Amino acid sequence: EVQLVESGGGLVQPGRSMKLSCAASGFTFNNYDMAWVCQAPKKGLEWVATISYDGSSTYYRDSVKGRFTISRDNAKSTLYLQMDSLRSEDTATYYCARAPGGYWGQGTLVTVSS
Amino acid sequence: DIQMTQSPSSMSASLGDRVTITCQASQDIGNNLIWFQQKPGKSPRPMIYYATNLANGVPSRFSGSRSGSDYSLTISSLESEDMADYHCLQYKQYPWTFGGGTKLELK
Repeated sequence: EVQLVESGGGLVQPGRSMKLSCAASGFTFNNYDMAWVCQAPKKGLEWVATISYDGSSTYYRDSVKGRFTISRDNAKSTLYLQMDSLRSEDTATYYCARAPGGYWGQGTLVTVSS
Repeated sequence: DIQMTQSPSSMSASLGDRVTITCQASQDIGNNLIWFQQKPGKSPRPMIYYATNLANGVPSRFSGSRSGSDYSLTISSLESEDMADYHCLQYKQYPWTFGGGTKLELK
């Protein structure tokens, strides 16, 4: 059974950093591109970033370029999202997904507030 | 960026109704589109992939179709468990873009 389990969310002050993790199991992690998608409270879904199966290529939405970094450790079957210079508008539930969206984690809430 | 214009943004329907939700793509996306169902507090669930293919375990009352740049999700006979938000996603080109979502409620 495919499982994606996010962790690392919580309350963080504006301008600070936070790192999300997504532990994958039930499939050959290093065969698949992976993505992060976010959803602000009561809003729609927004794609954040995607990383290729081997980590050689990364793609970001404009609003997070230069602030967020997607990465992966295939030996640990884990996906990461390093979020720097956080803003209030980054407040959302962050989901990891096996690209382009066949499987999703349960999400982790990031709240950016002073 | 490719814009996905989803309509309606909300709708109410009765049990047994035929319901159609549409996403219009601003550029060619081929069939690189997924429909998701999302219930409150839950993760999105893929319902239709590659525009017209039913995902595993999805009831056959759900179907996807394409006419040019218009992509539709149809529920042939609405059941109470279908009340949810529905989203489309194009993954033809970065940045991937979602439609604005459709809230489906019981009349």
